[in-house]
Amino acid sequence: DGGITQSPKYLFRKEGQNVTLSCEQNLNHDAMYWYRQDPGQGLRLIYYSQIVNDFQKGDIAEGYSVSREKKESFPLTVTSAQKNPTAFYLCASSISGRTATDTQYFGPGTRLTVL
Amino acid sequence: AQSVAQPEDQVNVAEGNPLTVKCTYSVSGNPYLFWYVQYPNRGLQFLLKYITGDNLVKGSYGFEAEFNKSQTSFHLKKPSALVSDSALYFCAVRPQPGNTPLVFGKGTRLSVIA
Repeated sequence: DGGITQSPKYLFRKEGQNVTLSCEQNLNHDAMYWYRQDPGQGLRLIYYSQIVNDFQKGDIAEGYSVSREKKESFPLTVTSAQKNPTAFYLCASSISGRTATDTQYFGPGTRLTVL
Repeated sequence: AQSVAQPEDQVNVAEGNPLTVKCTYSVSGNPYLFWYVQYPNRGLQFLLKYITGDNLVKGSYGFEAEFNKSQTSFHLKKPSALVSDSALYFCAVRPQPGNTPLVFGKGTRLSVIA
């Protein structure tokens, strides 16, 4: 899991509440990503950011929001508009937002459960 | 659309036997291909990647993968499986050009039986 930290490891949320997942990296990477993992569905991209103060929607951005105010931080907010938020959330980063050969490195994940 | 397919949800192999986890891809142009492993309740760990050159790529923990352009495949292999190799394995592709996010397959669960 290297220099990427995600907190908390487990998170419980009541329906109708917004919740923010933290992702921090000390690798000096430009690009950061959020994926959602559900059993049998692999990883699906929520949002990504190739540079500070810029981010793009992924395949399943509805009900989520992000910010990228600092290079080392890329928090994800799960809003009440997300209909089925219970999942395992993975943050990743890569050195550059411009080079196709770069490897993405992953954090340890946050498991979100909606009660 | 760029995609990868992992045709097997589950692979069972006896300890000491060779293992293969299959992956096929669909991209326009030349692909950049990756393999990751995930242990329970953990993040993904990078194993290896194919960029260009030798079709046989060697990676971490004794794993290797063979790129086959004609069959659009990138199968993960290991000559002798260990019980500790039991995990979830993901194949991923990055479509060219530029550093767009990886597109992942649905994963294959490998069980190595002692």
